[in-house]
Amino acid sequence: KAGVTQTPRYLIKTRGQQVTLSCSPISGHRSVSWYQQTPGQGLQFLFEYFSETQRNKGNFPGRFSGRQFSNSRSEMNVSTLELGDSALYLCASSLGGGLYEQYFGPGTRLTVT
Amino acid sequence: AQKITQTQPGMFVQEKEAVTLDCTYDTSDQSYGLFWYKQPSSGEMIFLIYQGSYDEQNATEGRYSLNFQKARKSANLVISASQLGDSAMYFCAIYSGGSNYKLTFGKGTLLTVNP
Repeated sequence: KAGVTQTPRYLIKTRGQQVTLSCSPISGHRSVSWYQQTPGQGLQFLFEYFSETQRNKGNFPGRFSGRQFSNSRSEMNVSTLELGDSALYLCASSLGGGLYEQYFGPGTRLTVT
Repeated sequence: AQKITQTQPGMFVQEKEAVTLDCTYDTSDQSYGLFWYKQPSSGEMIFLIYQGSYDEQNATEGRYSLNFQKARKSANLVISASQLGDSAMYFCAIYSGGSNYKLTFGKGTLLTVNP
């Protein structure tokens, strides 16, 4: 069974631009969660999608948004990039939603210059 | 608000020995869950073990066990018979709140297993 895949793996953007990250969950998984990991703030929960609906959201500004498609693939968008958005963005999927036994992807390393 | 504290930025252990990684938490919720994750240098987070606040027995998964002391609000991870492949960052996390849940991670502990 294929694991969670994230594309691209590495990305360099300029301040003020926008970026879209993609996550393909494990086949059959309906929940996708997104996390941001930085050296300063550590690992922080961004949001969770389940069956195309955002079910929960962390404490991030509105520049961070996401969506989930009918095939459970999810995208995360960050608009008006700031230097502080440089981070490893991790996506995780689970079968029935929630956080128990989430499977994580390898992450997308975003660098904002 | 909920909080996770991992006081050990780094830990060293000899191969085949046991090691305990500390985690204390704070929450005002009565129902919550505690997780431990491993993050190797490759970056991928790996779920290790889960303990619910109402679970009376400590959770175990293979070489991993969770020493849950509710009164002390601690949820330490014990790794028995350490292996070189256990070298990684380890994160403790707390989840509470039902459908509108909150999820908070600790800063992590870098474990190095020496041969």
